[in-house]
Amino acid sequence: NAGVMQNPRHLVRRRGQEARLRCSPMKGHSHVYWYRQLPEEGLKFMVYLQKENIIDESGMPKERFSAEFPKEGPSILRIQQVVRGDSAAYFCASSPLLPGQGSGNTIYFGEGSWLTVV
Amino acid sequence: GEDVEQSLFLSVREGDSSVINCTYTDSSSTYLYWYKQEPGAGLQLLTYIFSNMDMKQDQRLTVLLNKKDKHLSLRIADTQTGDSAIYFCAEEGESGYSTLTFGKGTMLLVSP
Repeated sequence: NAGVMQNPRHLVRRRGQEARLRCSPMKGHSHVYWYRQLPEEGLKFMVYLQKENIIDESGMPKERFSAEFPKEGPSILRIQQVVRGDSAAYFCASSPLLPGQGSGNTIYFGEGSWLTVV
Repeated sequence: GEDVEQSLFLSVREGDSSVINCTYTDSSSTYLYWYKQEPGAGLQLLTYIFSNMDMKQDQRLTVLLNKKDKHLSLRIADTQTGDSAIYFCAEEGESGYSTLTFGKGTMLLVSP
């Protein structure tokens, strides 16, 4: 059973380009979370999605960032017109649980995608 | 709002015990987690504790929770050089959908 798969692992973009980060949750997981880790910082929650629905995007910057989790295929975090401040590690996590059921140790993180904006 | 605080750095000698501390503010936290991150790598879940527990032991790891003081600690017995990494404390609130609030991480350096 493969874990949470993220790609690319490393991505370099010039200022103004677009970055697309992909996340395939663990098999059987329908809940996906994106977190961002700025240099020397902890992880900050960005967005929580279920299939075809954004449930909580309270941590997403208001502009240039969007996320989706289509019925088929991986979840995508899209950053348009990247700036140097977007350079960070972006982590995806997945869980199998429905809201209200709590979680315990069932949140699994991917290896992360390191975005560098030059 | 929620906030999680950790000391930034800890240095120990191989074979000693390490204690990493964490404080949090959300009294409705349900689960509290410890993650390990090695350079350039993802997060490895080390252990977790449910908020109605005081202590949890898992091999070399002992987690202590003082819910009254909102203080969490991770003790690593017989620390090895391979334990050198950044350790993150995280709390999960009552939102019911597993979003976590992380501390900034404690860098543990184990010297031979």
